[in-house]
Amino acid sequence: GDSVTQMEGPVTLSEEAFLTINCTYTATGYPSLFWYVQYPGEGLQLLLKATKADDKGSNKGFEATYRKETTSFHLEKGSVQVSDSAVYFCALRGDRGAGNMLTFGGGTRLMVKP
Amino acid sequence: NAGVTQTPKFRILKIGQSMTLQCAQDMNHNYMYWYRQDPGMGLKLIYYSVGAGITDKGEVPNGYNVSRSTTEDFPLRLELAAPSQTSVYFCASNPRPQGNTEAFFGQGTRLTVV
Repeated sequence: GDSVTQMEGPVTLSEEAFLTINCTYTATGYPSLFWYVQYPGEGLQLLLKATKADDKGSNKGFEATYRKETTSFHLEKGSVQVSDSAVYFCALRGDRGAGNMLTFGGGTRLMVKP
Repeated sequence: NAGVTQTPKFRILKIGQSMTLQCAQDMNHNYMYWYRQDPGMGLKLIYYSVGAGITDKGEVPNGYNVSRSTTEDFPLRLELAAPSQTSVYFCASNPRPQGNTEAFFGQGTRLTVV
């Protein structure tokens, strides 16, 4: 079945540092890929998405490129802020099967220090 | 905009007790989901529904039941609470059966079984 693997956290960075959170996936067909963010005490919010190979999703300074050849969707940000501290989830939605459900990675906690 | 509303936000149950986690959405979405989030484990799908009157099991359905009598509501029932059901529960909805559509999440219910 479909699966998502992302780097374990926590990731601790200083403000203005460069961020990379790795995400790789296994899926048949042509899945859509997502990054969700969960701020403390809140539910998940969509951060960005990409629907086909070589698409780049971007939002709030975060970017991720859908790489079919390496089955990856790594999240990057050039300069993190304290307010980016959260848990980040990589997810995919396959292009077949009932329910249209998302498959999530284990989440990566990011802590940004001033 | 209310979006996806979950109640209660927190609950402590004793082993063997039962309870219903409520979920309602006001976006007229056909697809609804229940996930549980265990520490460091990402989100696991419990049950889902593709429309009123239709429900199906996800990855971890044991110990839970659902119903979908209306488009808006998708309650999750725990009949005999066990410590293994201590988790954070998220309800989500999706507007249409296309791979790249965004899922909307509630703020979660933190359940502790003692």
